[in-house]
Amino acid sequence: KAGVTQTPRYLIKTRGQQVTLSCSPISGHRSVSWYQQTPGQGLQFLFEYFSETQRNKGNFPGRFSGRQFSNSRSEMNVSTLELGDSALYLCASSLRTSGVGEQFFGPGTRLTVL
Amino acid sequence: QKEVEQDPGPLSVPEGAIVSLNCTYSNSAFQYFMWYRQYSRKGPELLMYTYSSGNKEDGRFTAQVDKSSKYISLFIRDSQPSDSATYLCAMSVGGATNKLIFGTGTLLAVQP
Repeated sequence: KAGVTQTPRYLIKTRGQQVTLSCSPISGHRSVSWYQQTPGQGLQFLFEYFSETQRNKGNFPGRFSGRQFSNSRSEMNVSTLELGDSALYLCASSLRTSGVGEQFFGPGTRLTVL
Repeated sequence: QKEVEQDPGPLSVPEGAIVSLNCTYSNSAFQYFMWYRQYSRKGPELLMYTYSSGNKEDGRFTAQVDKSSKYISLFIRDSQPSDSATYLCAMSVGGATNKLIFGTGTLLAVQP
């Protein structure tokens, strides 16, 4: 069974640009969550989608947005990039539709903002 | 104060040692507790998943949750060099969300 896939794996952008990251969950998983990982702050929750609806949102500025498609694939977008947005962006999928299920992470997209 | 506290290490042990990793938390509403292992430049890999208090064992790994003390632990028996990684605790209040709150991670090095 294929795991969570994320594309691209590496990305270099300059300040002010925008970026779109993609996540394909494990087949059958309908919940997709996004996290930002940095050396200083660790793993921080960005948002969660279930059945194309945002179910929860972390404490990040409005420049960070996401969406989920009918096939459960998800994208996140960061507009007007800042140096501090350099991080590993991780996507996790879960089978559970309620409660907290086991969440499986993808390899991440490493974003560098110059 | 962070909701979840974890000693960042690094922790260095000889091969075959028993490793104890710990997290404390402040939110008494947490009900789901997980441990992830993350190798360098990889995504976190789920090791243990527990609900509420108690112990859970899986091979060389044992997870303990003490909700009265707001304290969780992961024990690794007969540690191997391949166990060298960052170990992250994570927890959630549950309900209608999968949102996880993570500890900062403990870097473990098992010396051959």
